[in-house]
Amino acid sequence: EAQVTQNPRYLITVTGKKLTVTCSQNMNHEYMSWYRQDPGLGLRQIYYSMNVEVTDKGDVPEGYKVSRKEKRNFPLILESPSPNQTSLYFCASRPRGGWTEAFFGQGTRLTVV
Amino acid sequence: AQTVTQSQPEMSVQEAETVTLSCTYDTSESDYYLFWYKQPPSRQMILVIRQEAYKQQNATENRFSVNFQKAAKSFSLKISDSQLGDAAMYFCAYRNSGNTPLVFGKGTRLSVIA
Repeated sequence: EAQVTQNPRYLITVTGKKLTVTCSQNMNHEYMSWYRQDPGLGLRQIYYSMNVEVTDKGDVPEGYKVSRKEKRNFPLILESPSPNQTSLYFCASRPRGGWTEAFFGQGTRLTVV
Repeated sequence: AQTVTQSQPEMSVQEAETVTLSCTYDTSESDYYLFWYKQPPSRQMILVIRQEAYKQQNATENRFSVNFQKAAKSFSLKISDSQLGDAAMYFCAYRNSGNTPLVFGKGTRLSVIA
């Protein structure tokens, strides 16, 4: 089954404790991206990657890092989480030339206290 | 920068009736794509329908159709014969051609009344 898998689904952490949210897709898609969703703000892109070792900032990259060492994986790293990073996070993917991210992960609900 | 505006934070519709969700966008580009996504309570993001700006014909997917008015920069979603399973948050989104990010509206929460 074609899918994007995120882990964990839920995470509560404390300010300053480094964490990683994993994202993996099994469709050999070139393009992957991370979004955060906040009430009243819709979804905003954090980072994206057009292929292995190629990443770029989206609209709200501050406080986040990503890496793309393998085509299937695109982890999101919060080196020093802060309460304003409490949000719902989505990973998404599409093939090269695809119109849009048609495949989203299940979402990760992150709470930073 | 492109912006997407959904002016209706909440809407409701009777089961079996038709509802239209509004979306306007701002861009200076001529080649772009528009989308509607559905997010049910499960939080899963589901692509509902898409429209290429160069196509004059409005896209249709079963009970879902759009009214694309390029000059007015309007992209509304019509849901016909509404079903209880249509209850969700709906997001309008825009993307330029090329590898550019999606720009989302803030969403419209649709309730379906039995």
